[in-house]
Amino acid sequence: QVQLQQSGPGLLKPSQTLSLTCAISGDSVSSNSPAWNWIRQSPSRGLEWLGRTYYRSNWYNEYAVSVESRITITADTSKNQFSLQLSSVTPEDTAVYYCARERSRSFDIWGPGTMVTVSS
Amino acid sequence: IVLTQSPAALSLSPGERATLSCTASQSVGSFLAWYQQRPGQAPRLLIYGASNRATGIPARFSGSGSGTDFTLTISSLEPEDFAVYYCQQCGTWSVSAFGGGTKVE
Repeated sequence: QVQLQQSGPGLLKPSQTLSLTCAISGDSVSSNSPAWNWIRQSPSRGLEWLGRTYYRSNWYNEYAVSVESRITITADTSKNQFSLQLSSVTPEDTAVYYCARERSRSFDIWGPGTMVTVSS
Repeated sequence: IVLTQSPAALSLSPGERATLSCTASQSVGSFLAWYQQRPGQAPRLLIYGASNRATGIPARFSGSGSGTDFTLTISSLEPEDFAVYYCQQCGTWSVSAFGGGTKVE
């Protein structure tokens, strides 16, 4: 049974860097089939896909245009996890952040979500 | 690609049929998925590839459509089906996007 467990701080000040980690059990971050994604949800923006990392003989990343200048998603094969970094956060980045596995171009496994608040 | 869901809210009773629509601003082929989200929970995959039920999803949930127009049908609402439903396009591999949601109440 595949499970995703999220960790990371829930409160940030403006201009800081958001860092979240998603630990995978029951699958491998370096598997050749799925992709590993970050998605956020807020009342103002709804569900917003942020980006993915995946391994297909090499590592690849794809990011949403809205955050591509501030986002980095990395994989740690030794810990079987992947991480999100979002720099220069503002109150508009306040949201619930989810990690999710993507297979068949849909998100079949989700983490429980982390509420991140950006406030001075 | 922009996904527009209608209606924004649907008021029904248990046992009734629910029909939810999702329209894409351009063709996504059959690369459309549906999710259910209950309060305080992460979204749950119901349908992928427009019409394929995900593992463990009851047969009362069905999806149809291709190109730009898609439908999620719940044949007979159970009490646990009252939730928010989202569509998601995955026709462009590099970018994913969600609709604004339909609340079934």
